Amino acid sequence: GQQVMQIPQYQHVQEGEDFTTYCNSSTTLSNIQWYKQRPGGHPVFLIQLVKSGEVKKQKRLTFQFGEAKKNSSLHITATQTTDVGTYFCAVMTTDSWGKFQFGAGTQVVVTP
Amino acid sequence: GAGVSQSPSNKVTEKGKDVELRCDPISGHTALYWYRQSLGQGLEFLIYFQGNSAPDKSGLPSDRFSAERTGGSVSTLTIQRTQQEDSAVYLCASRQPPGTSGRRSYNEQFFGPGTRLTVL
Repeated sequence: GQQVMQIPQYQHVQEGEDFTTYCNSSTTLSNIQWYKQRPGGHPVFLIQLVKSGEVKKQKRLTFQFGEAKKNSSLHITATQTTDVGTYFCAVMTTDSWGKFQFGAGTQVVVTP
Repeated sequence: GAGVSQSPSNKVTEKGKDVELRCDPISGHTALYWYRQSLGQGLEFLIYFQGNSAPDKSGLPSDRFSAERTGGSVSTLTIQRTQQEDSAVYLCASRQPPGTSGRRSYNEQFFGPGTRLTVL
């Protein structure tokens, strides 16, 4: 069945450093969404990627969709304490119309 | 209201009792999702509604779990004969209809604050 893996599970970052988290699928994806969940909060939508090789930027966040549409990455530059939280990818495959499968998430801790 | 609401926010119940969790989606959102999140874990898909019908119930853990949606709006997730392993935060999300630009375009999911269920 469909497998979605996020790596790393845990990321400890010094304030000001960059880091990248990855989302990998065993099957070709229709699209992928990224969400951020602050401690004690609920997931909040960040971005959606649809096209092969697509790159989207939101200030210090850069999202990329792989050419084969099986993987995606989220890169954060100059990490700030406000970046603390868990980042989830949510994927939809071509044979699961309307249904999203979430990865286990990357928990990010930022040290001042 | 402007967002997705869920009730109750917290529910403590005894093992073996039935519970009902409610979700009020954003008005006009045709798709509604239920997820379960255990402490420190990711989101586990439970069920998805398009209008009042549920095209995908594959995530329901057992026949003790059921969900319905009426009037294309409010949804209720029912857990019968609760077990301790049912303890988790149950999240509901809603989504606008897909885009009509000639290709599939799936919009973001708006999440409610969740219901924290504790089974003693």
